[in-house]
Amino acid sequence: SQTIHQWPATLVQPVGSPLSLECTVEGTSNPNLYWYRQAAGRGLQLLFYSVGIGQISSEVPQNLSASRPQDRQFILSSKKLLLSDSGFYLCAWMGYEQYFGPGTRLTVT
Amino acid sequence: SQELEQSPQSLIVQEGKNLTINCTSSKTLYGLYWYKQKYGEGLIFLMMLQKGGEEKSHEKITAKLDEKKQQSSLHITASQPSHAGIYLCGAVFYNNNDMRFGAGTRLTVKP
Repeated sequence: SQTIHQWPATLVQPVGSPLSLECTVEGTSNPNLYWYRQAAGRGLQLLFYSVGIGQISSEVPQNLSASRPQDRQFILSSKKLLLSDSGFYLCAWMGYEQYFGPGTRLTVT
Repeated sequence: SQELEQSPQSLIVQEGKNLTINCTSSKTLYGLYWYKQKYGEGLIFLMMLQKGGEEKSHEKITAKLDEKKQQSSLHITASQPSHAGIYLCGAVFYNNNDMRFGAGTRLTVKP
């Protein structure tokens, strides 16, 4: 069965610090992978998606970036965090449905 | 512009009452997905609809997709406190690899 891992579960970072969130998938190969952000009490905003290694599509201009160094690994990064980067970050992959990881709650202080 | 409009934004119902959540797309859908989320947690898949006029049920939750494949409704019969949470509709469109989501509906069920 497919499993999707995300870490860390929670993160508190100061403004201007770097960020690295990792997502890995098990039980499937060559998945389409997605990063979403959810602001408090709101829906999901698609940030990036990837259809293969090294292939990243960005949905919104921002100070975040994504990379896919391996088939089942998807990384969300920032060189300098902003207060507005706070939120709940979800990684997902698309099969019959879209399977979501447990999420990372990021608080930028 | 928002590709998926969900309504209402929030809903408070008495336990035992029926309720409906709507999801409307500005474009024809390839697939429509309903998810439930407890605050601060990941999403739980409920149902996926792909054919115009399709209807699916799971326990007390029924989802329908209209013939034009641009509107879906989620209906909960005899609501219970366990139904409380955020309901999100997601859509995959033709010629796209990604899923877009509505803003969500926060459901509170009062005992």
